[in-house]
Amino acid sequence: GENVEQHPSTLSVQEGDSAVIKCTYSDSASNYFPWYKQELGKRPQLIIDIRSNVGEKKDQRIAVTLNKTAKHFSLHITETQPEDSAVYFCAATPSGGFKTIFGAGTRLFVKA
Amino acid sequence: GAVVSQHPSRVICKSGTSVKIECRSLDFQATTMFWYRQFPKKSLMLMATSNEGSKATYEQGVEKDKFLINHASLTLSTLTVTSAHPEDSSFYICSARDGDRGTDTQYFGPGTRLTVL
Repeated sequence: GENVEQHPSTLSVQEGDSAVIKCTYSDSASNYFPWYKQELGKRPQLIIDIRSNVGEKKDQRIAVTLNKTAKHFSLHITETQPEDSAVYFCAATPSGGFKTIFGAGTRLFVKA
Repeated sequence: GAVVSQHPSRVICKSGTSVKIECRSLDFQATTMFWYRQFPKKSLMLMATSNEGSKATYEQGVEKDKFLINHASLTLSTLTVTSAHPEDSSFYICSARDGDRGTDTQYFGPGTRLTVL
């Protein structure tokens, strides 16, 4: 089955700096990769996603890159703000499958 | 669009009692819903996949007789924790896939914090 690894587990950056979170997956059949942001005690919120037929996607300060050959994908947040502080989860969904497998999460701290 | 509600948001119960948690898709039909369990500072652990009109598919290690799932309509799935024990205390979150849009995106409910005394 699919296995998703996420690094780092904790990331602390200064406000205005960039933050990068990396994930790897094992199932080459995975073709959908969402990223979720979860604030303390709240539900995970989809912030960006990418499909395997695309190498990069950007939405304002957030971008995601995908390297299918190496089976890894990354989340990039530029010009970080204190409100970006949260736990971020990457995930992978195999083609035709229903299960989405989540990474362990990255706790991001943005210091003002 | 794509709003998922969950009820109750918080429940405290005595050991040995059963607790039912409801998950509803408010503005779309969800043929598939998922139930997750999340421990403090941990990731989302998939418990089971709930399919409308059929039996749920449980993940390895999840007791189906302990965690009863019913998906009787396209907008409602319920999780019943039977004979709850303190070790069942956790944050339970459901999610739903929008069948109308035919996408893989999951939309999460706000979660239910269960505390078993």
